[in-house]
Amino acid sequence: GAVVSQHPSRVICKSGTSVKIECRSLDFQATTMFWYRQFPKQSLMLMATSNEGSKATYEQGVEKDKFLINHASLTLSTLTVTSAHPEDSSFYICSAGQGGYEQYFGPGTRLTVT
Amino acid sequence: LAKTTQPISMDSYEGQEVNITCSHNNIATNDYITWYQQFPSQGPRFIIQGYKTKVTNEVASLFIPADRKSSTLSLPRVSLSDTAVYYCLVGLSGGSYIPTFGRGTSLIVHP
Repeated sequence: GAVVSQHPSRVICKSGTSVKIECRSLDFQATTMFWYRQFPKQSLMLMATSNEGSKATYEQGVEKDKFLINHASLTLSTLTVTSAHPEDSSFYICSAGQGGYEQYFGPGTRLTVT
Repeated sequence: LAKTTQPISMDSYEGQEVNITCSHNNIATNDYITWYQQFPSQGPRFIIQGYKTKVTNEVASLFIPADRKSSTLSLPRVSLSDTAVYYCLVGLSGGSYIPTFGRGTSLIVHP
C-alpha cells in the first residue's frame, strides 16, 4: 500500500524556538494532506487541511500563525510550530489520500518542548 | 460530518472473536464507513472500509445493516498483538473527505 513518512520521528526543543515537521507521500501524489495532534490517551484532533498550492484550512481554535503549514509540492507538506511552548508538546500525525477510499497516515512525530 | 459513538473500552481473550460496534445515526447517503487501528505512538492503520452489507478482508469483517446507522467491526480469533485503539470514521470517500476521529475503542486482549 501507499506510504506516508514523517520526519523527524521525535524532536526535543527549547521553549521559544520553532520546529518543522515534514510529511511526505512516498509513492503517490497527494493534493490534500491533513495534520492532527494527539495528546496522551486522547483521540486524534484535526488541526488543519493542507492543500497543495494554496493556503491551509485550519480548524476552529487552531492558531494559523503558530502552526504554519506549507504544501509546496504534491508529495510534501510541512508543519512548523513557531515559538513552541511546553503545552505544544504532543504527538503530531499527518495523513494523505489518493482521492480514493483510503487515507494513509504517517508514523507520527513526538514533539517535546522543554 | 456524521458523529460516531463507540464503546470506550473492551476486553477479550486470545482466540476469541471480537465485535466492536459503532453508531452513526446521521450518516449521509454518500458516506463510507472506515475503521482504523492505532498502536501507542504510531499513526493509525487502515483496517477496512465499506458502504453497505458486509465486507471482508484478510484481517477483519465489517457488517453494515440496511439502515447504515451503525456498523460492526469483527476481528476473528484475536491475539495479544490486536491490543490497540480502534476508530470508526464516517465520511465521503474521495477528494472532499476529511477524516475526523471520534474517541475510539480501546481493545485489550488478555492471554
